Amino acid sequence: KAGVTQTPRYLIKTRGQQVTLSCSPISGHRSVSWYQQTPGQGLQFLFEYFSETQRNKGNFPGRFSGRQFSNSRSEMNVSTLELGDSALYLCASSLGPSGRAGIQETQYFGPGTRLLVL
Amino acid sequence: TQLLEQSPQFLSIQEGENLTVYCNSSSVFSSLQWYRQEPGEGPVLLVTVVTGGEVKKLKRLTFQFGDARKDSSLHITAAQPGDTGLYLCAGLISTQGGSEKLVFGKGTKLTVNP
Repeated sequence: KAGVTQTPRYLIKTRGQQVTLSCSPISGHRSVSWYQQTPGQGLQFLFEYFSETQRNKGNFPGRFSGRQFSNSRSEMNVSTLELGDSALYLCASSLGPSGRAGIQETQYFGPGTRLLVL
Repeated sequence: TQLLEQSPQFLSIQEGENLTVYCNSSSVFSSLQWYRQEPGEGPVLLVTVVTGGEVKKLKRLTFQFGDARKDSSLHITAAQPGDTGLYLCAGLISTQGGSEKLVFGKGTKLTVNP
């Protein structure tokens, strides 16, 4: 079974541009979560999608948005890029949403997209 | 403010030594997970602990969940170079919307020298 795939793996953008990152979950997984990882802040939760609906959102500005398609693939978009948006963006998929009935679904992470904003 | 504090932040040891890394919080978690992340890859789940006081063993790794479900530790016996990586703890907390989300510590970067 193929793992979580993320494209592109590396990206260089300049301030003010916008970027779209893509995540294909493991086949059969319907939940996708996005995280931002930086050396200073560690792994921070961006949002979670399940069945094309956003279930949870972290404390990020509105420049960060996402969506999920009917095939469970997900995209996240960052508009008006800032230098501080440089980070590793990780996507994780699971069978179901987090916290359902008190059960923590196992999340499987992709390799990430490393974004550099100049 | 970091909800989960991990210590130490960096650890460099020789092959064969033992080590313990800690994950502490003032919040109670319904469950806590440990991940290992290697360069260029995403985190990989090692274990989930759910019950206060629970101890789980995975070969040379021993994980413990505090009685009050606020802290956890990871002990590695006879570390090997293959144990090198970033060790992350993550706790499941309730959100205002009634669902739950994972919050991560910043991690402990472990280097095991041959």
